[in-house]
Amino acid sequence: AQRVTQPEKLLSVFKGAPVELKCNYSYSGSPELFWYVQYSRQRLQLLLRHISRESIKGFTADLNKGETSFHLKKPFAQEEDSAMYYCALRAGGYQKVTFGIGTKLQVIP
Amino acid sequence: KAGVTQTPRYLIKTRGQQVTLSCSPISGHRSVSWYQQTPGQGLQFLFEYFSETQRNKGNFPGRFSGRQFSNSRSEMNVSTLELGDSALYLCASSRDRAAEQYFGPGTRLTVT
Repeated sequence: AQRVTQPEKLLSVFKGAPVELKCNYSYSGSPELFWYVQYSRQRLQLLLRHISRESIKGFTADLNKGETSFHLKKPFAQEEDSAMYYCALRAGGYQKVTFGIGTKLQVIP
Repeated sequence: KAGVTQTPRYLIKTRGQQVTLSCSPISGHRSVSWYQQTPGQGLQFLFEYFSETQRNKGNFPGRFSGRQFSNSRSEMNVSTLELGDSALYLCASSRDRAAEQYFGPGTRLTVT
């Protein structure tokens, strides 16, 4: 069975500092990985997916199959980045999506 | 385009009762998935429906059931409610089974 681990429940960084939200997964095949974000009083929304290999709002994430990780990074944190971030995995095109427990990012002005 | 809507937004029920939650997907979306969100467990997958058929199911007891109608609207039912069923229930729709999911605002269920 697949599993997604986000080791930090809370990550506090100062504005302008680099951000790295960690995500590790366990799955023996080739998964599809996602990052979702939930801003205060807003709906959960997709931030990025590894197959797109794009940067959204300055965030990037690289799938490292050797380390089974999909860490989310941003070089300079902004106050508007404060939110809950969820890493998620889908084992195959039509399989269920498994979510991590989430990391709350707090950007300190 | 209107987003995913869920009704009701808030619900208070008593142990032993049953409840039905509704989800209307984005127009044109045919896949609907349901999740239970709690502070301790995060988002846990309940089930997925596509073309009126359940395609995937999570590890929840049989008290949790769902269905999808021909217009892609979906309902989930929880029978014999327990205190531990108190949670935010999220619905997500997607154009097809492998496409991006769009989430609704959720239904907050409180069981007393």
